[in-house]
Amino acid sequence: KQEVTQIPAALSVPEGENLVLNCSFTDSAIYNLQWFRQDPGKGLTSLLLIQSSQREQTSGRLNASLDKSSGRSTLYIAASQPGDSATYLCAVKGGYQKVTFGTGTKLQVIP
Amino acid sequence: DTAVSQTPKYLVTQMGNDKSIKCEQNLGHDTMYWYKQDSKKFLKIMFSYNNKELIINETVPNRFSPKSPDKAHLNLHINSLELGDSAVYFCASSQDERGARLRQETQYFGPGTRLLVL
Repeated sequence: KQEVTQIPAALSVPEGENLVLNCSFTDSAIYNLQWFRQDPGKGLTSLLLIQSSQREQTSGRLNASLDKSSGRSTLYIAASQPGDSATYLCAVKGGYQKVTFGTGTKLQVIP
Repeated sequence: DTAVSQTPKYLVTQMGNDKSIKCEQNLGHDTMYWYKQDSKKFLKIMFSYNNKELIINETVPNRFSPKSPDKAHLNLHINSLELGDSAVYFCASSQDERGARLRQETQYFGPGTRLLVL
């Protein structure tokens, strides 16, 4: 059974700092890993998707890496802004299109 | 244009009632999902449909019955609602193909339906 854990559960940083969010999964037989953000009371917005054959993906100030063999992914956010404050979720897709979500990291960027 | 839409956005109802939540996607995707997000914000997959065919059915009570009239719609009907059903329900879609040539595409989520059972 796939288990996905995100550390830390909550993070508070001053504006402008670079930060790293972690995601670990127990079963390395995955098809892809996706990072989302969720704003309070809102749905999920996809940030980046890394396929199992890839090692990283970049979009603007975001960079996601994947080390499938060790069951880890990181989301790097450069020059954080107050608008980045949200809960960040990682999700892994395994066999039969089953998606397992992580526990989430609640990020607060202080102006 | 809304990619994945859900109705209603809010649903407040009494225990024991039957209710439905509708989901529609206009992305041309062939796979749709239902997720439940509990009070601790943990998201868990409930069902997955590919081209109107059920693929995933997690350990969800029989009171929950998904229905896919066509590949653009996946509705969720809940019978005999219980207090523990209170949660936010999210619909999502992606472009996936079954079998060896599985395409690995982004999931797009709807805005969620906030269900409160009194």
